[in-house]
Amino acid sequence: DTAVSQTPKYLVTQMGNDKSIKCEQNLGHDTMYWYKQDSKKFLKIMFSYNNKELIINETVPNRFSPKSPDKAHLNLHINSLELGDSAVYFCASRGTLWDTQYFGPGTRLTVL
Amino acid sequence: DAKTTQPNSMESNEEEPVHLPCNHSTISGTDYIHWYRQLPSQGPEYVIHGLTSNVNNRMASLAIAEDRKSSTLILHRATLRDAAVYYCILRVGGSNYKLTFGKGTLLTVNP
Repeated sequence: DTAVSQTPKYLVTQMGNDKSIKCEQNLGHDTMYWYKQDSKKFLKIMFSYNNKELIINETVPNRFSPKSPDKAHLNLHINSLELGDSAVYFCASRGTLWDTQYFGPGTRLTVL
Repeated sequence: DAKTTQPNSMESNEEEPVHLPCNHSTISGTDYIHWYRQLPSQGPEYVIHGLTSNVNNRMASLAIAEDRKSSTLILHRATLRDAAVYYCILRVGGSNYKLTFGKGTLLTVNP
């Protein structure tokens, strides 16, 4: 059973395109996150939702728009993709017990 | 954001203990110390966390200095599968907390 899943695992696209990454968790958690890990391996938080409400919004270009249709899903839509958007994007969820975060396997986005 | 300092890399031999240090001199009284690790080509995974007392779980032990300005993650018997980047993170904030990852320590385990 996969706790936090992401689709697709790999995404290769051209500059200027619009793309979405999906995330689903089956842990019953209320809080979900999106992180970006760049080529230098720095992992930075982008967004967090709690029960479909945006609670953390770091300094991210407004081309990035998270959407949470229900508390088990947090999707990331990116408009007008740029070369600098190439990275691995990780979704995570957090339960209340021990406050630990559970990460998905990542989506490697390559913008050509 | 509260900051931590870790060595860039460490090396160990298989089946030997590993002590991964972390300095967090600006820690405040309500900050929890979390450790995560990231295996190659995978997402980070939780290892252990603590506030003041030393903690043990099936994966590792966490030793916290009395003044809380430093901590050490202890892997009692390193295996090749423990080769990863280990992140020491201060969990800041209330219920909407976020994890701020630093550079971490790249642990290499030699057979």
